[in-house]
Amino acid sequence: KQEVTQIPAALSVPEGENLVLNCSFTDSAIYNLQWFRQDPGKGLTSLLLIQSSQREQTSGRLNASLDKSSGRSTLYIAASQPGDSATYLCAVQRDDKIIFGKGTRLHILP
Amino acid sequence: DAGVIQSPRHEVTEMGQEVTLRCKPISGHNSLFWYRQTMMRGLELLIYFNNNVPIDDSGMPEDRFSAKMPNASFSTLKIQPSEPRDSAVYFCASSSPRTSGLETQYFGPGTRLLVL
Repeated sequence: KQEVTQIPAALSVPEGENLVLNCSFTDSAIYNLQWFRQDPGKGLTSLLLIQSSQREQTSGRLNASLDKSSGRSTLYIAASQPGDSATYLCAVQRDDKIIFGKGTRLHILP
Repeated sequence: DAGVIQSPRHEVTEMGQEVTLRCKPISGHNSLFWYRQTMMRGLELLIYFNNNVPIDDSGMPEDRFSAKMPNASFSTLKIQPSEPRDSAVYFCASSSPRTSGLETQYFGPGTRLLVL
């Protein structure tokens, strides 16, 4: 059974710093991995989607990597801003199943 | 486009009552997903539809839960009878036709349900 883990559950970082969020999964047979952002009281917004054949995806200050063999993905946020404060969730998909981690709650200190 | 629309945004009901949650997907999207989010269990996929047909309902917790999609622009998730442990935020999401396994889902704002 696929399990997705995100550590730490919460993280506080001073503004301007670069940071890395981690996601690990137990079954490497996945179609893709997505990183989402969730603001308080809101739904999820897809940030980056990495296909199983890809190693990374970039969007602006965000870079996501995928290492299927080790069951790991990272989300790198460069030059963090207070507006980046949110909960970040990763999710892996295979067949018709999508499994989410419980997220990392990120707080950027002004 | 207005995005995925869910109603109501908040629902407070008493144990034993029937609850109906509604979702309007993004026009042109042919897949629709219902999720439940709690602090303890995180975000869980309950059921999803493709072209209005339920494909996988293995995440539906028990027979008290049912979902329908009568047409491409509307879906309901019903809980009857409701119990306090059903209290959660319920999200609906939709996506465009699947290509090579790729899928980006667009989430609605959620319905926050409290069962007393």
